[in-house]
Amino acid sequence: EAGVAQSPRYKIIEKRQSVAFWCNPISGHATLYWYQQILGQGPKLLIQFQNNGVVDDSQLPKDRFSAERLKGVDSTLKIQPAKLEDSAVYLCASGTGDGYTFGSGTRLTVV
Amino acid sequence: DQQVKQNSPSLSVQEGRISILNCDYTNSMFDYFLWYKKYPAEGPTFLISISSIKDKNEDGRFTVFLNKSAKHLSLHIVPSQPGDSAVYFCAASPYYGQNFVFGPGTRLSVLP
Repeated sequence: EAGVAQSPRYKIIEKRQSVAFWCNPISGHATLYWYQQILGQGPKLLIQFQNNGVVDDSQLPKDRFSAERLKGVDSTLKIQPAKLEDSAVYLCASGTGDGYTFGSGTRLTVV
Repeated sequence: DQQVKQNSPSLSVQEGRISILNCDYTNSMFDYFLWYKKYPAEGPTFLISISSIKDKNEDGRFTVFLNKSAKHLSLHIVPSQPGDSAVYFCAASPYYGQNFVFGPGTRLSVLP
């Protein structure tokens, strides 16, 4: 079974620029999550999709972050404009309930 | 307000001995708990889970204990191996399959 694919692995941008991350979940997994992990902290949920519908986006900073999951498969997470405090690893996960499978993440550095 | 706490940022254990990682939570609605392991430059990997109807769940060298009245759970690794060296995250959720709240992690180092 292929894992959760994420790209790019690393991204360095200047503050106020925009950036997008891509995630391809495990085939057949209806639930997809985006987490933000700041150095030294645990992952924090940004948004949860069930198929192509949003289940929970209560912790997504909607003034600058957006996410979509067209056709209920791949998902993209966008930040526009980026701030220094957005520097983190962005993790995508998919699952069926008993524990998620995470991708390797995208490490974003905002300078 | 941290709902899931892992008060030990790091732990060192000798190979072959027991590793005990602790986790405390504040939300009494949490009913389902997971442990994840994370190696550098990789995503977290699911390790073991427990629901509130149980007080213990075992999988090979890994055992999770839950004390609901104390809002405390622990992960025991016996015997510890150098390959177990990683960051361990505790996570909790009020519902099976719903989004989990993660603790800050404990870095385990198993010394040969």
